[in-house]
Amino acid sequence: ETGVTQTPRHLVMGMTNKKSLKCEQHLGHNAMYWYKQSAKKPLELMFVYSLEERVENNSVPSRFSPECPNSSHLFLHLHTLQPEDSALYLCASSQEGRSQYFGPGTRLTVL
Amino acid sequence: EDQVTQSPEALRLQEGESSSLNCSYTVSGLRGLFWYRQDPGKGPEFLFTLYSAGEEKEKERLKATLTKKESFLHITAPKPEDSATYLCAVQANTGNQFYFGTGTSLTVIP
Repeated sequence: ETGVTQTPRHLVMGMTNKKSLKCEQHLGHNAMYWYKQSAKKPLELMFVYSLEERVENNSVPSRFSPECPNSSHLFLHLHTLQPEDSALYLCASSQEGRSQYFGPGTRLTVL
Repeated sequence: EDQVTQSPEALRLQEGESSSLNCSYTVSGLRGLFWYRQDPGKGPEFLFTLYSAGEEKEKERLKATLTKKESFLHITAPKPEDSATYLCAVQANTGNQFYFGTGTSLTVIP
């Protein structure tokens, strides 16, 4: 595997479910990111992990919970989501100060 | 407040008809400006990084330029396969955050 991979690619879940999104980067980068992409809106930064520190967007609801066990893996744990959380969730990685490289995204639908 | 504005929102071109996309930005100290291409249902694909005013980068039919307030992505003699959404992002000198515009959706008609 090369670049940034994400699983699953598609996810449909009910509002009471708990699921997790997984991201893995094979680029040796030291920062990883979660973004939410909704139609007609800019990419919304949710969380950043850099050098084992976490930076978060304060507007992200607590029903989204990130986990970064090491510099190559990033998870986004989901619970009790709302229909408005349906979107494309993108993972990215970068070497500090340089461009981000994105995964293919997880298309999430909340029923 | 750091922000990025892209225009136009959508652009339709005939094959071979050259044009430019605009990215205006406000940032407290620019570390870098980035252009990405995004195809439907896929993640953004990195195209260029520009670091200082006056800098230019080229790749095939694309050329990116940078001033102190904006960047242009020039598309010369586009082909249908250039159809995609083009995203612009900036990174400030402090922190690891990137600020994205809403993108320009480009359609090139054969």
